[in-house]
Amino acid sequence: TQLLEQSPQFLSIQEGENLTVYCNSSSVFSSLQWYRQEPGEGPVLLVTVVTGGEVKKLKRLTFQFGDARKDSSLHITAAQPGDTGLYLCAGEWEGSNYKLTFGKGTLLTVNP
Amino acid sequence: SAVISQKPSRDICQRGTSLTIQCQVDSQVTMMFWYRQQPGQSLTLIATANQGSEATYESGFVIDKFPISRPNLTFSTLTVSNMSPEDSSIYLCSVKRLAGGPGGELFFGEGSRLTVL
Repeated sequence: TQLLEQSPQFLSIQEGENLTVYCNSSSVFSSLQWYRQEPGEGPVLLVTVVTGGEVKKLKRLTFQFGDARKDSSLHITAAQPGDTGLYLCAGEWEGSNYKLTFGKGTLLTVNP
Repeated sequence: SAVISQKPSRDICQRGTSLTIQCQVDSQVTMMFWYRQQPGQSLTLIATANQGSEATYESGFVIDKFPISRPNLTFSTLTVSNMSPEDSSIYLCSVKRLAGGPGGELFFGEGSRLTVL
Protein backbone atom coordinates (compact mmCIF):
# COMPACT_ATOMS: atom_id res chain seq x y z
CA THR A 1 0.00 0.00 0.00
CA GLN A 2 1.37 3.40 -0.99
CA LEU A 3 1.59 6.06 1.69
CA LEU A 4 0.58 9.63 1.14
CA GLU A 5 1.62 12.23 3.71
CA GLN A 6 -0.51 15.34 4.08
CA SER A 7 0.19 18.31 6.34
CA PRO A 8 -0.83 20.14 8.37
CA GLN A 9 -3.66 18.07 9.79
CA PHE A 10 -5.40 21.10 11.34
CA LEU A 11 -5.26 24.75 10.39
CA SER A 12 -7.18 27.61 11.97
CA ILE A 13 -6.64 31.04 10.48
CA GLN A 14 -8.25 34.46 10.23
CA GLU A 15 -10.13 35.67 7.19
CA GLY A 16 -7.75 37.24 4.70
CA GLU A 17 -4.73 35.14 5.56
CA ASN A 18 -2.93 32.86 3.13
CA LEU A 19 -2.23 29.17 3.69
CA THR A 20 -0.53 26.21 2.08
CA VAL A 21 -1.30 22.51 2.42
CA TYR A 22 1.26 19.90 1.40
CA CYS A 23 0.97 16.37 0.11
CA ASN A 24 3.87 14.05 -0.67
CA SER A 25 4.87 10.47 -1.28
CA SER A 26 8.08 8.50 -1.72
CA SER A 27 6.69 7.10 -4.97
CA VAL A 28 5.83 8.76 -8.26
CA PHE A 29 2.18 9.59 -8.77
CA SER A 30 0.52 8.86 -12.09
CA SER A 31 -2.03 11.46 -11.04
CA LEU A 32 -2.90 13.45 -7.96
CA GLN A 33 -6.21 14.99 -7.03
CA TRP A 34 -7.40 17.47 -4.43
CA TYR A 35 -10.87 17.15 -2.94
CA ARG A 36 -12.86 19.28 -0.52
CA GLN A 37 -15.39 17.82 1.86
CA GLU A 38 -18.02 19.65 3.89
CA PRO A 39 -19.82 18.13 6.89
CA GLY A 40 -22.51 15.66 5.88
CA GLU A 41 -21.33 15.53 2.29
CA GLY A 42 -19.06 13.36 0.22
CA PRO A 43 -15.77 14.80 -1.07
CA VAL A 44 -15.95 16.91 -4.23
CA LEU A 45 -13.11 17.12 -6.72
CA LEU A 46 -11.27 20.45 -6.95
CA VAL A 47 -8.49 19.61 -9.39
CA THR A 48 -6.49 16.83 -11.02
CA VAL A 49 -2.79 17.18 -11.84
CA VAL A 50 -0.95 14.75 -14.05
CA THR A 51 2.12 16.48 -15.49
CA GLY A 52 5.24 17.20 -13.42
CA GLY A 53 5.62 20.93 -12.74
CA GLU A 54 1.98 21.60 -13.54
CA VAL A 55 0.29 24.60 -11.92
CA LYS A 56 -3.48 25.02 -11.92
CA LYS A 57 -5.54 27.88 -10.54
CA LEU A 58 -9.11 27.81 -9.36
CA LYS A 59 -10.05 31.35 -8.29
CA ARG A 60 -8.04 31.91 -5.07
CA LEU A 61 -6.72 28.34 -5.01
CA THR A 62 -3.41 27.44 -6.64
CA PHE A 63 -2.36 23.84 -7.08
CA GLN A 64 1.19 22.79 -7.88
CA PHE A 65 2.51 19.38 -8.85
CA GLY A 66 6.18 18.74 -8.19
CA ASP A 67 8.57 18.24 -11.09
CA ALA A 68 9.25 14.68 -9.95
CA ARG A 69 5.52 14.01 -9.47
CA LYS A 70 6.06 12.99 -5.85
CA ASP A 71 4.56 16.02 -4.15
CA SER A 72 1.85 18.62 -4.49
CA SER A 73 0.67 21.73 -2.71
CA LEU A 74 -2.55 23.67 -2.39
CA HIS A 75 -2.23 27.38 -1.70
CA ILE A 76 -5.22 29.52 -0.77
CA THR A 77 -4.90 33.29 -1.03
CA ALA A 78 -6.97 35.60 1.16
CA ALA A 79 -8.93 32.79 2.79
CA GLN A 80 -12.63 33.31 3.44
CA PRO A 81 -14.98 31.61 5.94
CA GLY A 82 -16.54 29.79 2.99
CA ASP A 83 -13.23 27.99 2.45
CA THR A 84 -13.72 26.13 5.73
CA GLY A 85 -13.75 22.37 5.21
CA LEU A 86 -11.69 19.21 4.99
CA TYR A 87 -9.15 19.25 2.16
CA LEU A 88 -7.96 15.86 0.95
CA CYS A 89 -5.24 14.95 -1.46
CA ALA A 90 -5.56 11.62 -3.22
CA GLY A 91 -3.08 9.84 -5.43
CA GLU A 92 -2.92 7.15 -8.06
CA TRP A 93 0.28 5.25 -8.75
CA GLU A 94 1.36 2.97 -11.55
CA GLY A 95 -0.26 -0.37 -10.91
CA SER A 96 -2.85 0.95 -8.46
CA ASN A 97 -5.58 -0.21 -10.81
CA TYR A 98 -7.40 3.14 -10.78
CA LYS A 99 -7.74 3.09 -7.01
CA LEU A 100 -7.18 6.32 -5.10
CA THR A 101 -5.29 6.52 -1.82
CA PHE A 102 -6.25 9.47 0.32
CA GLY A 103 -4.07 11.54 2.62
CA LYS A 104 -5.13 12.13 6.21
CA GLY A 105 -6.73 15.42 5.27
CA THR A 106 -6.35 19.00 6.43
CA LEU A 107 -9.21 20.43 8.46
CA LEU A 108 -9.26 24.14 7.66
CA THR A 109 -11.18 26.66 9.75
CA VAL A 110 -11.30 30.25 8.55
CA ASN A 111 -12.54 32.58 11.25
CA PRO A 112 -14.35 35.80 10.32
CA SER B 1 -20.92 13.88 -13.61
CA ALA B 2 -22.67 11.12 -11.72
CA VAL B 3 -25.42 11.34 -9.15
CA ILE B 4 -25.11 8.77 -6.40
CA SER B 5 -27.86 7.92 -3.96
CA GLN B 6 -27.02 6.10 -0.78
CA LYS B 7 -29.36 4.75 1.82
CA PRO B 8 -29.77 4.77 4.66
CA SER B 9 -28.20 8.17 5.21
CA ARG B 10 -27.78 7.32 8.87
CA ASP B 11 -28.67 4.58 11.28
CA ILE B 12 -28.16 3.57 14.88
CA CYS B 13 -27.62 -0.13 15.34
CA GLN B 14 -27.13 -2.59 18.15
CA ARG B 15 -23.93 -4.52 18.66
CA GLY B 16 -23.96 -7.89 16.90
CA THR B 17 -26.47 -6.96 14.21
CA SER B 18 -25.81 -6.39 10.50
CA LEU B 19 -26.75 -3.49 8.23
CA THR B 20 -26.84 -3.29 4.45
CA ILE B 21 -26.12 0.00 2.70
CA GLN B 22 -27.36 0.54 -0.82
CA CYS B 23 -25.74 2.64 -3.55
CA GLN B 24 -27.57 3.60 -6.72
CA VAL B 25 -25.92 5.53 -9.56
CA ASP B 26 -27.86 7.44 -12.19
CA SER B 27 -25.76 6.13 -15.08
CA GLN B 28 -23.60 3.17 -15.94
CA VAL B 29 -20.11 3.41 -14.49
CA THR B 30 -17.06 1.23 -14.77
CA MET B 31 -15.60 1.40 -11.29
CA MET B 32 -17.43 1.38 -7.97
CA PHE B 33 -15.69 1.60 -4.64
CA TRP B 34 -16.64 1.54 -0.99
CA TYR B 35 -14.76 3.76 1.47
CA ARG B 36 -14.91 4.14 5.23
CA GLN B 37 -14.38 7.45 6.99
CA GLN B 38 -14.06 7.23 10.75
CA PRO B 39 -14.87 10.33 12.82
CA GLY B 40 -12.40 13.11 12.09
CA GLN B 41 -10.40 10.88 9.78
CA SER B 42 -9.68 10.58 6.10
CA LEU B 43 -11.05 7.98 3.71
CA THR B 44 -9.90 4.37 3.71
CA LEU B 45 -10.73 2.14 0.77
CA ILE B 46 -12.59 -1.01 1.81
CA ALA B 47 -13.00 -2.69 -1.55
CA THR B 48 -13.64 -2.38 -5.26
CA ALA B 49 -17.10 -3.66 -6.18
CA ASN B 50 -16.88 -5.82 -9.30
CA GLN B 51 -19.93 -6.42 -11.44
CA GLY B 52 -21.08 -10.00 -11.29
CA SER B 53 -18.12 -11.27 -9.32
CA GLU B 54 -16.55 -11.10 -5.90
CA ALA B 55 -15.33 -7.72 -4.69
CA THR B 56 -11.61 -6.98 -4.41
CA TYR B 57 -10.79 -6.20 -0.78
CA GLU B 58 -8.00 -4.03 0.57
CA SER B 59 -5.66 -5.15 3.30
CA GLY B 60 -7.44 -5.30 6.62
CA PHE B 61 -10.92 -5.85 5.17
CA VAL B 62 -12.50 -9.26 4.58
CA ILE B 63 -15.57 -10.52 2.79
CA ASP B 64 -17.09 -12.13 5.88
CA LYS B 65 -17.18 -8.78 7.66
CA PHE B 66 -18.01 -6.56 4.67
CA PRO B 67 -19.85 -8.60 2.02
CA ILE B 68 -20.39 -6.57 -1.15
CA SER B 69 -22.66 -7.18 -4.10
CA ARG B 70 -22.75 -5.51 -7.50
CA PRO B 71 -25.39 -7.15 -9.70
CA ASN B 72 -25.17 -4.51 -12.46
CA LEU B 73 -23.35 -1.35 -13.54
CA THR B 74 -25.51 1.03 -11.52
CA PHE B 75 -26.10 -0.64 -8.15
CA SER B 76 -24.07 -2.02 -5.27
CA THR B 77 -24.57 -2.95 -1.64
CA LEU B 78 -22.21 -3.09 1.31
CA THR B 79 -23.14 -5.05 4.41
CA VAL B 80 -21.45 -4.39 7.72
CA SER B 81 -21.78 -7.70 9.59
CA ASN B 82 -21.78 -8.50 13.29
CA MET B 83 -21.26 -4.86 14.15
CA SER B 84 -19.27 -3.52 17.07
CA PRO B 85 -18.82 0.07 18.26
CA GLU B 86 -15.53 0.17 16.31
CA ASP B 87 -17.59 -0.03 13.11
CA SER B 88 -19.17 3.35 13.85
CA SER B 89 -18.20 5.35 10.83
CA ILE B 90 -19.36 6.99 7.62
CA TYR B 91 -19.47 4.57 4.71
CA LEU B 92 -19.15 6.16 1.29
CA CYS B 93 -19.95 4.74 -2.11
CA SER B 94 -17.93 6.21 -4.96
CA VAL B 95 -17.76 5.73 -8.71
CA LYS B 96 -15.35 6.49 -11.47
CA ARG B 97 -15.63 6.45 -15.23
CA LEU B 98 -12.44 5.34 -16.87
CA ALA B 99 -11.44 7.88 -19.53
CA GLY B 100 -8.48 6.09 -21.01
CA GLY B 101 -5.86 7.38 -18.58
CA PRO B 102 -5.03 8.28 -14.98
CA GLY B 103 -6.83 10.95 -13.06
CA GLY B 104 -10.47 10.13 -13.63
CA GLU B 105 -12.76 11.97 -11.23
CA LEU B 106 -14.16 10.07 -8.29
CA PHE B 107 -17.78 10.91 -7.50
CA PHE B 108 -19.10 10.28 -4.01
CA GLY B 109 -22.45 9.69 -2.44
CA GLU B 110 -23.34 11.66 0.67
CA GLY B 111 -22.40 8.71 2.82
CA SER B 112 -24.15 6.54 5.37
CA ARG B 113 -23.40 7.50 8.96
CA LEU B 114 -23.50 4.41 11.12
CA THR B 115 -23.50 4.45 14.91
CA VAL B 116 -23.17 1.15 16.76
CA LEU B 117 -24.18 1.05 20.41
